[in-house]
Amino acid sequence: EAQVTQNPRYLITVTGKKLTVTCSQNMNHEYMSWYRQDPGLGLRQIYYSMNVEVTDKGDVPEGYKVSRKEKRNFPLILESPSPNQTSLYFCASSPGRAQFFGPGTRLTVL
Amino acid sequence: KQEVTQIPAALSVPEGENLVLNCSFTDSAIYNLQWFRQDPGKGLTSLLLIQSSQREQTSGRLNASLDKSSGRSTLYIAASQPGDSATYLCAVLTDSWGKLQFGAGTQVVVTP
Repeated sequence: EAQVTQNPRYLITVTGKKLTVTCSQNMNHEYMSWYRQDPGLGLRQIYYSMNVEVTDKGDVPEGYKVSRKEKRNFPLILESPSPNQTSLYFCASSPGRAQFFGPGTRLTVL
Repeated sequence: KQEVTQIPAALSVPEGENLVLNCSFTDSAIYNLQWFRQDPGKGLTSLLLIQSSQREQTSGRLNASLDKSSGRSTLYIAASQPGDSATYLCAVLTDSWGKLQFGAGTQVVVTP
């Protein structure tokens, strides 16, 4: 089944403790991206990747890192999480034009 | 910078009424526009995608129109049902690959 998977789906952590949210797609898409969703603000793009080893900042990249070592995986790294990064995170992949979204990761930083 | 606005932010209708959801965008240079549905705490389900060259798309009870020159799209849902209760998001594709700019969404409640 064609899909985008994210892990974990739920995470509660404390300020400053490094974490990684994984994203994987099995559709051989070149384009992948991360969004965060906050009430009243909609979804905002954090980072995107056009292909392996090609990444760039989206609209709200501060406090996040990404890597794209393989085509199928695009992990989101929070090296020192802060409470303002409490949000719902979505990974997406695209062959161009239409996007496919993962189920979301709800992150709470205390 | 592209800005996408959805009005109203929330809408409540009785079952059977038609739903009309509005989306506006400030820059007409878009590649396509997508409508998504999101259930509470869940992911996004793509409903309709309208290419920039198209005027409308239909799927079952759903119809979406696009007027690129005026920066507007409308999603119509005919004969609403309680199962249509969800948040509806519109998003415009701003580059040829995949950067989507989202509106904040319209929360819809259909009462039995």
